[in-house]
Amino acid sequence: GAVVSQHPSWVICKSGTSVKIECRSLDFQATTMFWYRQFPKQSLMLMATSNEGSKATYEQGVEKDKFLINHASLTLSTLTVTSAHPEDSSFYICSANGADHYNEQFFGPGTRLTVL
Amino acid sequence: GQNIDQPTEMTATEGAIVQINCTYQTSGFNGLFWYQQHAGEAPTFLSYNVLDGLEEKGRFSSFLSRSKGYSYLLLKELQMKDSASYLCAVRDPGAGSYQLTFGKGTKLSVIP
Repeated sequence: GAVVSQHPSWVICKSGTSVKIECRSLDFQATTMFWYRQFPKQSLMLMATSNEGSKATYEQGVEKDKFLINHASLTLSTLTVTSAHPEDSSFYICSANGADHYNEQFFGPGTRLTVL
Repeated sequence: GQNIDQPTEMTATEGAIVQINCTYQTSGFNGLFWYQQHAGEAPTFLSYNVLDGLEEKGRFSSFLSRSKGYSYLLLKELQMKDSASYLCAVRDPGAGSYQLTFGKGTKLSVIP
């Protein structure tokens, strides 16, 4: 099956700093990548959808200037949490669709962000 | 709007069968997915239904009735490792780009 990686797997940062999370499709070209956030004991909430080479589409209530998404290639998307605050602490998960994987989203292993 | 409902928690005995239900109301429908998620890990794909009926894959089966907006995931011969959250997700073509909307998940506890 298709593999999606995320880096880092966990990160601890100080309030006010920025954190970049990478999402890579390792063995397929991801035409679309999704970024989710999951708070403890809650379900995945879609933050944004990104297509290679175009601007991301953000869900209602998600600040695009705070959560910067770049999808520069068919195998890499990045999410940057700018000026992070403790309430941004969460589990961030990316997933990807490819042209040959229409019926399935492949999820990365997630990144645990803790903002002190 | 979109609404996906599933029970919050379930408990079942090792070796038994358990059925996890999911009902949905979405503006459009282009497939229903079931994912398994262990605590602190990303979801893993279990099944996909787009037509009515039962899809069987080993110990796991998934059923869909589009007219009723209803699906269930059936787990047979339960094992302790099946303890996890099970997420029902619907793909709504109106939402664009194969986007999925997830239910809140059902936490399944398998006991000896």
